[in-house]
Amino acid sequence: DVKVTQSSRYLVKRTGEKVFLECVQDMDHENMFWYRQDPGLGLRLIYFSYDVKMKEKGDIPEGYSVSREKKERFSLILESASTNQTSMYLCASSSPGEGLGGELFFGEGSRLTVL
Amino acid sequence: SQQGEEDPQALSIQEGENATMNCSYKTSINNLQWYRQNSGRGLVHLILIRSNEREKHSGRLRVTLDTSKKSSSLLITASRAADTASYFCATDRGGANNLFFGTGTRLTVIP
Repeated sequence: DVKVTQSSRYLVKRTGEKVFLECVQDMDHENMFWYRQDPGLGLRLIYFSYDVKMKEKGDIPEGYSVSREKKERFSLILESASTNQTSMYLCASSSPGEGLGGELFFGEGSRLTVL
Repeated sequence: SQQGEEDPQALSIQEGENATMNCSYKTSINNLQWYRQNSGRGLVHLILIRSNEREKHSGRLRVTLDTSKKSSSLLITASRAADTASYFCATDRGGANNLFFGTGTRLTVIP
């Protein structure tokens, strides 16, 4: 059974803290993505990666960075958390073999609250 | 925004009825996908329809695509309480390997 695992389902952090959200996939997928989901705004792409050590900015990269040191792992980093980063964060992966815009496999999400 | 936009935002029906959700988008696409999300969970892929296809079926799901109108519809037939979820359409970015998601339709099926 294919799987995308996000390390934490719920996190509570304080303003200014550094936050790491970890995502691991076991499908040997090249592509990995971080989205955030907010009511009324749908899913918005933060960063994505097509290969190890590669990263591309999505639609809302400000305030975030990412790390892809291994193929199976894609980390989202909030260097200095702010209250407007309170959100649900969703990690996803896909294979380029699926063709352009192929099916995404999602993790269960990490709900982050910044106080 | 180049996101897909779902319509309606919320839909409430009785068990056994059909549910129809619509999606409109703005740019040319290679394919359009529909996803389902149970409350507080991740998204699950339902179906993908390519730009050269007009209709596709999967079990109780029927998806249509009209590229001239830049719109798609998802029909769930004989709905069940377990179909209660949010449904999202997603479009590729005409050559990119990442997806735009709409804001979703919240479907409630009343037993």
